[in-house]
Amino acid sequence: NAGVTQTPKFRILKIGQSMTLQCTQDMNHNYMYWYRQDPGMGLKLIYYSVGAGITDKGEVPNGYNVSRSTTEDFPLRLELAAPSQTSVYFCASSYHGSNTGELFFGEGSRLTVL
Amino acid sequence: AQSVTQLDSHVSVSEGTPVLLRCNYSSSYSPSLFWYVQHPNKGLQLLLKYTSAATLVKGINGFEAEFKKSETSFHLTKPSAHMSDAAEYFCVVSRNNNDMRFGAGTRLTVKP
Repeated sequence: NAGVTQTPKFRILKIGQSMTLQCTQDMNHNYMYWYRQDPGMGLKLIYYSVGAGITDKGEVPNGYNVSRSTTEDFPLRLELAAPSQTSVYFCASSYHGSNTGELFFGEGSRLTVL
Repeated sequence: AQSVTQLDSHVSVSEGTPVLLRCNYSSSYSPSLFWYVQHPNKGLQLLLKYTSAATLVKGINGFEAEFKKSETSFHLTKPSAHMSDAAEYFCVVSRNNNDMRFGAGTRLTVKP
């Protein structure tokens, strides 16, 4: 059972570079989410999607973009990386949505911007 | 607006003793409340959830939490700690599917 798979697990970027964090789930969940986790702080929602073709901003969307062309995949794009984007990024999915259902998380992608 | 405050950033207990992780919430609506656990270098895993049914909620691995509206609290407890319980625990409040607010986390250390 793969669940939620994120790649890469680790990445170092230079300021101004761009990259895409990949996320795929095999549970046929409609809801998918991207969070970032900073030391000593809880997770903050970047973007979310309620189904293929539908995305919306979360609490901290600036500097990021997403797309949802299929139910399975929800990539997160970082344009013009900045040191403030150094963080651990988690992708999650849910069948019923985060309000009542369980979120299933990937193992995270640790990004450092130098 | 809604938010959660985890009252302890770090809790240390001895194996076999009770665990208490404290969480207070603020919400203008009847919230859904969750506890998630994160083991080192892993994603978060749901421990238990409260969604306006029974106020005492039982979760996995012997954990439970009690929703107290009068105290706006949702503390997590376990009668007897095990070494494998050492992890980071997050209290979460949710009003809808795009408005989950995570607490800052409580790191639980279990001593032999």
